[in-house]
Amino acid sequence: AQSVTQPDIHITVSEGASLELRCNYSYGATPYLFWYVQSPGQGLQLLLKYFSGDTLVQGIKGFEAEFKRSQSSFNLRKPSVHWSDAAEYFCAVGAGDYKLSFGAGTTVTVRA
Amino acid sequence: NAGVTQTPKFQVLKTGQSMTLQCAQDMNHEYMSWYRQDPGMGLRLIHYSVGAGITDQGEVPNGYNVSRSTTEDFPLRLLSAAPSQTSVYFCASRGSRNQPQHFGDGTRLSIL
Repeated sequence: AQSVTQPDIHITVSEGASLELRCNYSYGATPYLFWYVQSPGQGLQLLLKYFSGDTLVQGIKGFEAEFKRSQSSFNLRKPSVHWSDAAEYFCAVGAGDYKLSFGAGTTVTVRA
Repeated sequence: NAGVTQTPKFQVLKTGQSMTLQCAQDMNHEYMSWYRQDPGMGLRLIHYSVGAGITDQGEVPNGYNVSRSTTEDFPLRLLSAAPSQTSVYFCASRGSRNQPQHFGDGTRLSIL
């Protein structure tokens, strides 16, 4: 079965600074990888997804993620953070079936 | 453009009561699932369905029942509510294995 680890529980970043959120997965084959964002009291919104092909994936809101098979990682990045990026971020991995496994999430705080 | 609709949005129950959380999608998706979200634990899969008449258990199925009589609806039943079931519940649907899940806005459930 697949699993996901998000090593950072909480990250604080200054507005305008860069952001990188880490995600490591465990799965024997090439997985389907996703990043979701959740604002307080809201549902989950898809930021980006990786299925195959180019390992650098562009998403919404200026986010990108890079799939590195050798490191079993799918880290999320944004060059310049806005105050509206304060939220909780979830990495998820899907295998050959329909099920997704989610990481525990990383909460991002943006300071002025 | 409704997507995935969950009702109710909030609910307070007493221990031992039963209730049904409703989930409906209008995207003709075959795959639907229920998750619970607890602080520090990400989303954990309760039950899922790969089509009408087909359901299976996820990671934390105890205390919950599901059925899938139509493609559109996937209700989650709490048989005898317990305080440990206090959580935020999300329903999601997905069209195929290589498509992301679409989430509802969640049901915030408190068991007293």
